[in-house]
Amino acid sequence: QVQLQESGPGLVKPSQTLSLTCTVSGGSISTGTYFWSWIRQPAGKGLEWIGRIYSTGSTNYNPSLQSRATISLDTSQNQFSLKVTSVTAADTAMYYCARGRGGEFDYWGQGTQVTVSS
Amino acid sequence: DIQMTQSPSTLSASVGDRVTITCRASQSISTWLAWYQQKPGKAPKLLIYKASSLENGVPSRFSGSGSGTEFTLTISSLQPDDFATYFCQQYNSYLYTFGQGTKLQVK
Repeated sequence: QVQLQESGPGLVKPSQTLSLTCTVSGGSISTGTYFWSWIRQPAGKGLEWIGRIYSTGSTNYNPSLQSRATISLDTSQNQFSLKVTSVTAADTAMYYCARGRGGEFDYWGQGTQVTVSS
Repeated sequence: DIQMTQSPSTLSASVGDRVTITCRASQSISTWLAWYQQKPGKAPKLLIYKASSLENGVPSRFSGSGSGTEFTLTISSLQPDDFATYFCQQYNSYLYTFGQGTKLQVK
């Protein structure tokens, strides 16, 4: 059974960099069949796709983050990571990592709350 | 971006009811659509992919239909565990977008 688990600081100061890691168990992130994404959800609101990475290292991002997001892979640790630079209060949200299949997301982490505040 | 609009935003229903949620895309997305169920404090759960394919392990009372710009999620006979928020998601373009959600609550 594939499992994903997010980790990282729950509190980030404005203008700093948000860094999160997703650890995948029960399957290899090097499998070319899937891709790996980050998705966020502000409290009481809808879901926003942040970006994705394939096992080749190829990435795509949501332009709404204005090039502030970077997703990377660490195949030795079976992890992938998210960095968002120059954060503001608008980046406060629950952050999920997820496995993408054809385009749908079949496995999700439990989510980690990130608050941007001084 | 492809905008996804769900209706209604809130739906009140009773156990045993047949309920339908609609999702409209701002442009044609063929059948590249998924439906998710989310309960408070939990991650979304995939129910339907490619508009009408039922994910493994999801009860058969859930079904999806549609193509192009209009899609529906139907629950044939509502069970107590089904009260939750439902989201649609398009993956016709790499810039994936979600609907704003439909909260299914007890009548």
